[in-house]
Amino acid sequence: DGGITQSPKYLFRKEGQNVTLSCEQNLNHDAMYWYRQDPGQGLRLIYYSQIVNDFQKGDIAEGYSVSREKKESFPLTVTSAQKNPTAFYLCASSITPLAGTQETQYFGPGTRLLVL
Amino acid sequence: GQQLNQSPQSMFIQEGEDVSMNCTSSSIFNTWLWYKQDPGEGPVLLIALYKAGELTSNGRLTAQFGITRKDSFLNISASIPSDVGIYFCAGLGTQGGSEKLVFGKGTKLTVNP
Repeated sequence: DGGITQSPKYLFRKEGQNVTLSCEQNLNHDAMYWYRQDPGQGLRLIYYSQIVNDFQKGDIAEGYSVSREKKESFPLTVTSAQKNPTAFYLCASSITPLAGTQETQYFGPGTRLLVL
Repeated sequence: GQQLNQSPQSMFIQEGEDVSMNCTSSSIFNTWLWYKQDPGEGPVLLIALYKAGELTSNGRLTAQFGITRKDSFLNISASIPSDVGIYFCAGLGTQGGSEKLVFGKGTKLTVNP
């Protein structure tokens, strides 16, 4: 089955700790995205990558970091600099046939991050 | 930047009723997307609209791409309990020379049996 997987489903972070959320896709999509969702809010873009070894900051990148070493994988690290990390994190992917354009995005099941 | 105004914010309806929600903007979009999100899950794409004036159905769901390219609506006919969830609109538009996907804040639908 083709799709996007995120792990773990739930993640607990202690104060001052970095944690990494996994996102893998086998759809052969070029672009991948990370969003943050807070209760009652829409989706806010953290980082996105349109090609391997390249990524761009979204609207709320502070306190987060990413890497894109493989087409299939786009892990997100929530650093200790992110002071309010408790949220639902969604990964998405899309085909990007042309530079500077985006296509329909398909989402993973999400990871809920909780701070202890 | 581009923003989408999605309304209503929430809806409480009886099973069997029809539902209508919409998204509007002052900006022009090239594509409109409608997603549904179940609690604790990622959004699932329901309908994609690529052309102004386009009317597309997916079972009991119907969505239209507004002729001005600044709005879109989603209708659900004969609602059932499993329609419960949050519905998001999203628009693909050009900003700063590149295309960007912008999301509405969602419409939370509750269906009473």
